[in-house]
Amino acid sequence: DQQVKQNSPSLSVQEGRISILNCDYTNSMFDYFLWYKKYPAEGPTFLISISSIKDKNEDGRFTVFLNKSAKHLSLHIVPSQPGDSAVYFCAASARGNTPLVFGKGTRLSVIA
Amino acid sequence: NAGVMQNPRHLVRRRGQEARLRCSPMKGHSHVYWYRQLPEEGLKFMVYLQKENIIDESGMPKERFSAEFPKEGPSILRIQQVVRGDSAAYFCASSERTSGNTIYFGEGSWLTVV
Repeated sequence: DQQVKQNSPSLSVQEGRISILNCDYTNSMFDYFLWYKKYPAEGPTFLISISSIKDKNEDGRFTVFLNKSAKHLSLHIVPSQPGDSAVYFCAASARGNTPLVFGKGTRLSVIA
Repeated sequence: NAGVMQNPRHLVRRRGQEARLRCSPMKGHSHVYWYRQLPEEGLKFMVYLQKENIIDESGMPKERFSAEFPKEGPSILRIQQVVRGDSAAYFCASSERTSGNTIYFGEGSWLTVV
């Protein structure tokens, strides 16, 4: 029973273009959403987050969009760079003492 | 400003041995989480602890796995009588508080059971 789903296991994008990574969730109690980036043999690194009271949060080249009615969020990276090649995990949490729930990840490859 | 520190980074154990993985949270963080990543899988929650308390262990296997976060010292994830299926990357994370807060991960401990 996956509460956070990343339906695309992989994505290839040309350098300079936009990367769009998608994430769907099923639990309507989730109110905080995050994206993490992970390189091989390293721990996940926090990238950007968004609270359910917002529908957009931007940080440099990274923007996260939240569509609560569709229970969908997306991460936009523009322009994409080769160093962005990594696995991206979407995560969500609900109020109270609940841990983050992660999706299975999407492997992004940015081709020079 | 040390981040989350995990050790050992790599651990090899024979079937039936015990594995102990340690995690020191970031300074000022009192919440610790353990996650496991099996090959080609996502991050699966195992356990959430505060000092001297297990808050949520819903993701822990019922047998052979235990975790603690004592008043002094690091959090420890203990796996007794390891089996090949325990081979995975174990990530520890910490946060200042739960609910609406970001958790920060360590570099991970890679357990290989031979």
